[in-house]
Amino acid sequence: DGGITQSPKYLFRKEGQNVTLSCEQNLNHDAMYWYRQDPGQGLRLIYYSQIVNDFQKGDIAEGYSVSREKKESFPLTVTSAQKNPTAFYLCASSLNLNGEQFFGPGTRLTVL
Amino acid sequence: AQTVTQSQPEMSVQEAETVTLSCTYDTSESDYYLFWYKQPPSRQMILVIRQEAYKQQNATENRFSVNFQKAAKSFSLKISDSQLGDAAMYFCAYKGMNYGGSQGNLIFGKGTKLSVKP
Repeated sequence: DGGITQSPKYLFRKEGQNVTLSCEQNLNHDAMYWYRQDPGQGLRLIYYSQIVNDFQKGDIAEGYSVSREKKESFPLTVTSAQKNPTAFYLCASSLNLNGEQFFGPGTRLTVL
Repeated sequence: AQTVTQSQPEMSVQEAETVTLSCTYDTSESDYYLFWYKQPPSRQMILVIRQEAYKQQNATENRFSVNFQKAAKSFSLKISDSQLGDAAMYFCAYKGMNYGGSQGNLIFGKGTKLSVKP
């Protein structure tokens, strides 16, 4: 089955801790994305990657970091520098930057 | 910078009836894509319909169709024969073409919550 997986579905973190969200795709897509969704808001772009070993900041990259060592994987680290990390995080991928984006099921992060 | 506005935070429709969700956008680009995404309570984002700006013909996907007015920068979604499973948040999104230094990122509106009454 081709698709995008995100783990875990729910994640709890204490203040001051870094946490990494997983995103894996087996669609053979080159481009991958991370979005943040807050209540009553649309999605906002955190980071995106056009190809392996390359990534660019989106609109709200402060307090986040990513890596793209493999085509299938695009993990997002929420650092302690992120002031308000509690949110729903969605990963997406597309064949290229002009392609249709397919979304994963999301991870709900709660900072305690 | 491009913006997307959905002026209806909530809408309601009777089962089997038709409903139209509004979306306007602002851009100085001539080539771009527009999308409607559905987000049910599971929170999975599902692509409903896509429109290329260079195409004059409005896109349709079964019970879903759009009214694309390029000059007015309007992109409304019409859902015909509404079903209980259509109840969800609907997001309008804009995407520029990825060339000439443009990132071509997806820009989302804040969404419209659609309720379907049996």
